[in-house]
Amino acid sequence: AIRMTQSPSSLSASTGDRVTITCRASQGISSYLAWYQQKPGKAPKLLIYSASTLQTGVPSRFSGSGSGTDFTLTISCLQSEDFATYYCQQYYSYPPLTFGGGTKVEIK
Amino acid sequence: EVQLVESGGGLVQPGGSLRLSCAASGFTFSSYSMNWVRQAPGKGLEWVSYISSSSSTIYYADSVKGRFTISRDNAKNSLYLQMNSLRAEDTAVYYCARDSSVALGAFDIWGQGTMVTVSS
Repeated sequence: AIRMTQSPSSLSASTGDRVTITCRASQGISSYLAWYQQKPGKAPKLLIYSASTLQTGVPSRFSGSGSGTDFTLTISCLQSEDFATYYCQQYYSYPPLTFGGGTKVEIK
Repeated sequence: EVQLVESGGGLVQPGGSLRLSCAASGFTFSSYSMNWVRQAPGKGLEWVSYISSSSSTIYYADSVKGRFTISRDNAKNSLYLQMNSLRAEDTAVYYCARDSSVALGAFDIWGQGTMVTVSS
């Protein structure tokens, strides 16, 4: 199984900050990577697929980059509604589909 | 409105069984592959099972293989997860999730989740 490792596991930031989350795959996955946002008590929401393609309706302050084994999710100007947990997921090789452990973005 | 609504969760004893359902609306259910994903309390996301649009291809996570069975009824726009021989470690919120049509394997629509608690 392909292992997905996210870092950091949590971070504190202020509104307006630029935030970067990284995700590393245990083997190359081309660009078959998705990012999700999850708020407490809610289902995850797809933000980005194919490593860098924004899902319809997702604000442009979110962006993704990378290919192969190393990926990043960037929030260019953090808004109050962005405080949440973010997960990466590979869909290059399955089963199994695998997620990273999550990155919790908290208010500083 | 595109929507997935899970039901069937609850409290069950170890070794027991439970059947989850997911009702789809607002899209052509029969055209999409579907999945179950779970999340243990305070933990991350774990993919559980996949079923193709015609039910011809089915996958399971090793952690549930042989105990869980995924199925669908396209005429009823419904997805199911039959869970047998339940263990404490199966305690989680179970989500049904739709495969994206432009990124197969990414999940573009999720239900609200149904809680399964395995405890004596």
